Amino acid sequence: DAGVIQSPRHEVTEMGQEVTLRCKPISGHDYLFWYRQTMMRGLELLIYFNNNVPIDDSGMPEDRFSAKMPNASFSTLKIQPSEPRDSAVYFCASSADRGLSNEQFFGPGTRLTVL
Amino acid sequence: AQSVTQLDSQVPVFEEAPVELRCNYSSSVSVYLFWYVQYPNQGLQLLLKYLSGSTLVKGINGFEAEFNKSQTSFHLRKPSVHISDTAEYFCAVTDFNKFYFGSGTKLNVKP
Repeated sequence: DAGVIQSPRHEVTEMGQEVTLRCKPISGHDYLFWYRQTMMRGLELLIYFNNNVPIDDSGMPEDRFSAKMPNASFSTLKIQPSEPRDSAVYFCASSADRGLSNEQFFGPGTRLTVL
Repeated sequence: AQSVTQLDSQVPVFEEAPVELRCNYSSSVSVYLFWYVQYPNQGLQLLLKYLSGSTLVKGINGFEAEFNKSQTSFHLRKPSVHISDTAEYFCAVTDFNKFYFGSGTKLNVKP
């Protein structure tokens, strides 16, 4: 298995632009997580899905952030409009059933820079 | 809600020396505990996890951790570190509703 796939690996954009981050979980995994990592705040859980349904989005910082999972093999995290403080590494992770007791497999991350 | 405290943000250590990375969590209710490692420019990888049973858990790369319920701790240890262990280590807890990660400890192994 190729593991969790994220694209792009690096994204540089200007303030105000829309940014879309993409994630393909490991086949057969029922849980998908989006995290943000910064020096100041560490690793933060933004949202997670179970069977394509958002379960907990309390970590989404504000309405500019949205996440979707249209099918079991694809998820997006969108920021519109983007701001410099959104600069971070965004990780996607997936996990098998009973994900909260099972290992989460992380993707390589997308490094976002908003100028 | 849970909170996870990793007291040491950075731990410098010489190669072949022992190391302990500390982790404390906030609640004594039933939890699952994890340690993850993040190598530079990579995602997190699972080192080990505690779900139930023996309080001493062995993981990959020679790491082990001990669950102490009374002290709500889950410290990570390795008897002899290698240069390749240089990475950031994250403790994580789930109370079955959510995952909570600590702020991370950067382990810097010096020759």
